[in-house]
Formats: sequence, structure tokens, C-alpha cells
Amino acid sequence: KAGVTQTPRYLIKTRGQQVTLSCSPISGHRSVSWYQQTPGQGLQFLFEYFSETQRNKGNFPGRFSGRQFSNSRSEMNVSTLELGDSALYLCASSRLQTDTEAFFGQGTRLTVV
Amino acid sequence: GESVGLHLPTLSVQEGDNSIINCAYSNSASDYFIWYKQESGKGPQFIIDIRSNMDKRQGQRVTVLLNKTVKHLSLQIAATQPGDSAVYFCAENRGAGNQFYFGTGTSLTVIP
Repeated sequence: KAGVTQTPRYLIKTRGQQVTLSCSPISGHRSVSWYQQTPGQGLQFLFEYFSETQRNKGNFPGRFSGRQFSNSRSEMNVSTLELGDSALYLCASSRLQTDTEAFFGQGTRLTVV
Repeated sequence: GESVGLHLPTLSVQEGDNSIINCAYSNSASDYFIWYKQESGKGPQFIIDIRSNMDKRQGQRVTVLLNKTVKHLSLQIAATQPGDSAVYFCAENRGAGNQFYFGTGTSLTVIP
């Protein structure tokens, strides 16, 4: 059974640009969550989608957005990139609506220059 | 913010010894917890979970203990191996979907 797949693995963008990251959850999983990981702040929750609906949102500016498709694949978008957006962006998938195992992908390493 | 921590605790153990990694969680309403292992350049890997109606759960070479009175979680690794070297995170779920709050992490180094 394939795990969580995130693409691309690495990305370099310039300040002011926008970026779209993709996540394919484990087959049968309907919940997808996104996290930002930095050395200074650790793992911080961005948002969660279940059945194409955003259910929870973390404390990030509106430049960070996401969506989920009918096949449960999810994308997150960051507009007007800032240097501080450089981070490892992680996607986790879960089978049920709540309180269930969350499995992570390898992440997308975003570098903003 | 929910996740704080510029300082990563470290733990060094001899190969073959048992390791104990501790985590204090913040919210008494948290009802589900997961321990993750993260190796350099990789995403967090699920190790073991526990629900708030339990105080102990065992897996292969790992045991998680939950003390709700003092809001404390621990991960015990038996017969620690070099491959166990990684950063270990505890994550808590407060019952609102699949949103997890992560601890700062503990860096475990196993000395051969």
C-alpha cells in the first residue's frame, strides 16, 4: 500500500512568487492535514481537509491556502512568498474524521530566496 | 503559539540500553496522542498511539505511558539500536478533527 506522496520534494522560489504543493494521501484516507516545520518553530498546523471541506485552520496568514479534491488529493498554495516561508511542508493523511492515526509524507522542502 | 521551543532536548544512550523520552502536553482536553520518529531529511514516522482512556500501550520494543493527572507522556524504547537515532515528537489531539499539536521534540543518539 503506497504511503503519503508529496510533490515536489524540493523547491526554490523567489520572494513575491507563489507556490503550489501537492499531497496524495494513502488510498482510502479522506482527511489531509498540512504542517509547516522550521527549526525555530517546530511543527505547526496549517489546515485540515476532510471530504473536500476545510475543517480546521491554524494561525497562519491568508497567504496560505489549500483545497482538497474529490479523490482526496490536496494542494496547498502560498502566495507572495516571504523569506520566512522557507520550511519543510508536511502533509499527513488519516482515515477517519478524528482521533485516528496520522501518517506523514516525506515533505516538500521550500526555499525562498 | 501552540508550538514553542527553540531548544531541542537531547538524549544519548548506549546501544542495548533502554531509552525513555518524556513529553509534557499542554491541554487537559487532549484525548489522543501519537509518538513520531523523524530521521534527518524525512517526514515524521508513526510509532505508537494511545487514547486518553488508557494509561499504557505496548508495541514492538516500544511502550507509551500516559499520566493524565500531570499531563505527561513517555516513550520507552527497549534495547535501543543505532537505527533508533532520530528526533522523537509527541503529538496531542484535542478532539477537533485531525489537528495535532506537536512537542518540541527530543533528539536521541544511540552510541554503538
